[in-house]
Amino acid sequence: GAVVSQHPSRVICKSGTSVKIECRSLDFQATTMFWYRQFPKKSLMLMATSNEGSKATYEQGVEKDKFLINHASLTLSTLTVTSAHPEDSSFYICSAMAWGGGNTGELFFGEGSRLTVL
Amino acid sequence: GENVEQHPSTLSVQEGDSAVIKCTYSDSASNYFPWYKQELGKRPQLIIDIRSNVGEKKDQRIAVTLNKTAKHFSLHITETQPEDSAVYFCAASLNNDMRFGAGTRLTVKP
Repeated sequence: GAVVSQHPSRVICKSGTSVKIECRSLDFQATTMFWYRQFPKKSLMLMATSNEGSKATYEQGVEKDKFLINHASLTLSTLTVTSAHPEDSSFYICSAMAWGGGNTGELFFGEGSRLTVL
Repeated sequence: GENVEQHPSTLSVQEGDSAVIKCTYSDSASNYFPWYKQELGKRPQLIIDIRSNVGEKKDQRIAVTLNKTAKHFSLHITETQPEDSAVYFCAASLNNDMRFGAGTRLTVKP
């Protein structure tokens, strides 16, 4: 199947700093990528839909100025957590849709990034 | 928007028994229903999916059924093994909009 790589897998930062997480589709082009936040023992909460060459679409309740998303190329989307605080500590996962025909593509996930804000 | 509900939240079975996880969705236009398995600390992995033009799909010990009229779909795992222990998520999707269920933590006891 298609491969999505996410980096870094773990990051620890001080409160007030910004952290960038990268999501790459390695063997296919992804016009659309998705960013999720996952709390312990909870489901995947969609944060935003990242569209190549245009602004991301954020879900209700997600602060766009807090979670900056850039999708500058067909293989790379980045999530920057700005001025991180301890409550931003979480597991962040990206995914990309690979189209194999039909109106809905299959979703492939990155490895996830565990952010710990001290 | 789409709303996906998943039950049960936890499921414990004896090795060799079957496990069934059920999901309902709200948007009748949704046309793609994947199931993901997520082991602790790892990424979700697609294990099986079904599209709205099919009622049932099977892949070895795993099967998925879809009832479009009732807007529900189910995952069936037969002859469960300890390595089936994980969290399973259902999802419903239309075009680029995919929504996930809350997850089911399956434990298979040896």
